Amino acid sequence: DTEVTQTPKHLVMGMTNKKSLKCEQHMGHRAMYWYKQKAKKPPELMFVYSYEKLSINESVPSRFSPECPNSSLLNLHLHALQPEDSALYLCASSQSGGLVYNEQFFGPGTRLTVL
Amino acid sequence: GQQLNQSPQSMFIQEGEDVSMNCTSSSIFNTWLWYKQEPGEGPVLLIALYKAGELTSNGRLTAQFGITRKDSFLNISASIPSDVGIYFCAGPAGTYKYIFGTGTRLKVLA
Repeated sequence: DTEVTQTPKHLVMGMTNKKSLKCEQHMGHRAMYWYKQKAKKPPELMFVYSYEKLSINESVPSRFSPECPNSSLLNLHLHALQPEDSALYLCASSQSGGLVYNEQFFGPGTRLTVL
Repeated sequence: GQQLNQSPQSMFIQEGEDVSMNCTSSSIFNTWLWYKQEPGEGPVLLIALYKAGELTSNGRLTAQFGITRKDSFLNISASIPSDVGIYFCAGPAGTYKYIFGTGTRLKVLA
């Protein structure tokens, strides 16, 4: 099973709302990722958790707050977003984070629209 | 910084034709990943390559790890309408970091 699940599939929120995106994998992977993808562009890395610890924050604004409650779950808490934050948010996982043998599997994404 | 350039940027082909695309890097990689992404969906891993010169197939798809370790190639044989999508290459750019190519958008005319 190489499945990463994400909920919700679609989310519309106002700039004053607080919402959360959820991601889950049951492959025993120890690295989990959040990416942001704009239309017709490649995914851009936002955060990486390795062994449930935040390993990388790609200078993401604090209105995005990641959380890794356990090795299977990854959340992204959203607060006071801007319309330019509208995008496809992708979760991914990989067995580990080293430089070799890192097949990374993506979820279906959450399409976020900020009004 | 590292960049991955893919070509062509887009292509329209007739159903049944073979497709070739490539990905080039300014630095050496030890892994290449090829993904396909359909509209509104996440990228799906097609093929992973780990060794220079390696040739790996997945059905009608064949990918090669270039011997210079700075490029990779993806071929699709006998294309069908469901091959439509954007094909991305990706490679590790440091611990936990992947960089993605600019993508090749494929459209198949029936």
